[in-house]
Amino acid sequence: SQQGEEDPQALSIQEGENATMNCSYKTSINNLQWYRQNSGRGLVHLILIRSNEREKHSGRLRVTLDTSKKSSSLLITASRAADTASYFCATAPSAGGTSYGKLTFGQGTILTVHP
Amino acid sequence: EAGVAQSPRYKIIEKRQSVAFWCNPISGHATLYWYQQILGQGPKLLIQFQNNGVVDDSQLPKDRFSAERLKGVDSTLKIQPAKLEDSAVYLCASSFPWTKDTEAFFGQGTRLTVV
Repeated sequence: SQQGEEDPQALSIQEGENATMNCSYKTSINNLQWYRQNSGRGLVHLILIRSNEREKHSGRLRVTLDTSKKSSSLLITASRAADTASYFCATAPSAGGTSYGKLTFGQGTILTVHP
Repeated sequence: EAGVAQSPRYKIIEKRQSVAFWCNPISGHATLYWYQQILGQGPKLLIQFQNNGVVDDSQLPKDRFSAERLKGVDSTLKIQPAKLEDSAVYLCASSFPWTKDTEAFFGQGTRLTVV
């Protein structure tokens, strides 16, 4: 079953604008990860934020995590046409052991960046 | 380093036929996953291996799906007999085991169409 929901389901912006995607989840987590999927390809890991972290940056990516609200957001600044893809959040459970790698994905946000 | 290899990339079969997918994980990754991604949805975990043992197969439809990972390296996922609703992309992923902040590395996937 899906862990939670992402919104918006689709986002269309112009190059140079910022894109913000949100993710909500339901259970206790060890970490939350964001992945990108280009059309017809596999998923690529973008960034991981631990449950005891509130914000993390990587290049043009900024991720926030609010465990009290069970939500996260991904901000892509100064977007490029090459950022056009589907973006998924995935949560790793806090149960530990072999469960650490058991990722549960959201439904994804389709981002289109127009040149 | 070489990524996760999957084959075939595409497969079209008739319902009630059988099909098999192959995955070769990144060298040294003890954990291997099979995900099913239906069009418009996020990936759903089917089965997780740790070396050649099954860690979690709670969401694998065992009446028609089977998977094995002989010698703790390559893995095959089989569907027999296939149903129309099995049409999806089947993604294989691998990761290091036993660490709290593990990212998954995905292959390109096999797109299955059941007609």
